[in-house]
Amino acid sequence: QKEVEQNSGPLSVPEGAIASLNCTYSDRGSQSFFWYRQYSGKSPELIMSIYSNGDKEDGRFTAQLNKASQYVSLLIRDSQPSDSATYLCAVLSGYSTLTFGKGTMLLVSP
Amino acid sequence: GAVVSQHPSRVICKSGTSVKIECRSLDFQATTMFWYRQFPKQSLMLMATSNEGSKATYEQGVEKDKFLINHASLTLSTLTVTSAHPEDSSFYICSARDASGREETQYFGPGTRLLVL
Repeated sequence: QKEVEQNSGPLSVPEGAIASLNCTYSDRGSQSFFWYRQYSGKSPELIMSIYSNGDKEDGRFTAQLNKASQYVSLLIRDSQPSDSATYLCAVLSGYSTLTFGKGTMLLVSP
Repeated sequence: GAVVSQHPSRVICKSGTSVKIECRSLDFQATTMFWYRQFPKQSLMLMATSNEGSKATYEQGVEKDKFLINHASLTLSTLTVTSAHPEDSSFYICSARDASGREETQYFGPGTRLLVL
């Protein structure tokens, strides 16, 4: 059974700090990895995708992938209160089937 | 970016009635659409994968006769919850994969909140 594990949190950080969100997955054959942000009562919004080992930066967001360790992370620099949400890690296995983690709740305090 | 719409955004119905939810890709063609369900404080659970012009593939434990899926065109998929019961109350979210894209990115609709009384 394919699993994606995330710490449920909440992860609390002060405004301006770096938030670090982590995710591990069980399927070694996974090739595509995604981070979604979900505000309460809303549907997920794509933040980042990453496909190869290393770092991928987009604005204040950096995704990191280590396939050997089956680990993917998301760093949010200069965290803002508007970043407070649940962050879902999703792993693509097989043909277009996304497996989601349960999400990590991030709280950024002013 | 790719836009996916859902209609209705919220629906309240009586137990035993059927409810249809539409999912549309507005600015791209989607050969594959996905239907998820999310209960409060839970993660998204894939219900079925919908392929244009063919039968949907349902996940284990999802009743295909209760959750009817039709993907008649490259921009529209519908989910019909038949004979809805209170335990079907949930947040239903569709997503679509851009047929022209090289990446396996799924774009989510805004969701439909269903309440069955």
